[in-house]
Amino acid sequence: GDSVTQMEGPVTLSEEACLTINCTYTATGYPSLFWYVQYPGEGLQLLLKATKADDKGSNKGFEATYRKETTSFHLEKGSVQVSDSAVYFCALKETSGSRLTFGEGTQLTVNP
Amino acid sequence: NAGVTQTPKFQVLKTGQSMTLQCAQDMNHEYMSWYRQDPGMGLRLIHYSVGAGITDQGEVPNGYNVSRSTTEDFPLRLLSAAPSQTSVYFCASRIDTVGGYTFGSGTRLTVV
Repeated sequence: GDSVTQMEGPVTLSEEACLTINCTYTATGYPSLFWYVQYPGEGLQLLLKATKADDKGSNKGFEATYRKETTSFHLEKGSVQVSDSAVYFCALKETSGSRLTFGEGTQLTVNP
Repeated sequence: NAGVTQTPKFQVLKTGQSMTLQCAQDMNHEYMSWYRQDPGMGLRLIHYSVGAGITDQGEVPNGYNVSRSTTEDFPLRLLSAAPSQTSVYFCASRIDTVGGYTFGSGTRLTVV
């Protein structure tokens, strides 16, 4: 079945450092890919998405490119802020149907 | 437009008790789903619905029941609570096959 693997956390960075959170997936067909963010005590919020190969999703300085050849969707940001501290989830939606499959989540802490 | 509303936010149950977690959305979304979030396991799909009167099982359905009598509401019932059901529960909905999902703020359930 479909699966998503994220880099293990937690990740701790200093403010203005570069961020990469790795995400790889296993799926048949051409799934849609998502990054969600969960701030402390809150539900998940959609951060960005890509629906086909080579698409780049971007939002709030974050970006991720749908790489079919490497089955990856790594999340990147050039300069993180303390307010980016949260848990980040990579997810895929199967080609046909509605179900989301999530990775385990990566806790990011940004120190001033 | 309130989005996805979950109640209660916190609940403590004794083993064997039953309860219903409420989920309501005011966005006229056809697809709704319930996830549970456990440390190190990401989010796992419990049940989902593609429209009023239609429900199906997800990855971890045992011990939970759902019904979908209206487009707006998708309650999750725990028939006989067990400590293994201690978790944070999220309800989510979306409108179409390519759109992002909207999540509620979650219900933190403890079964003692």
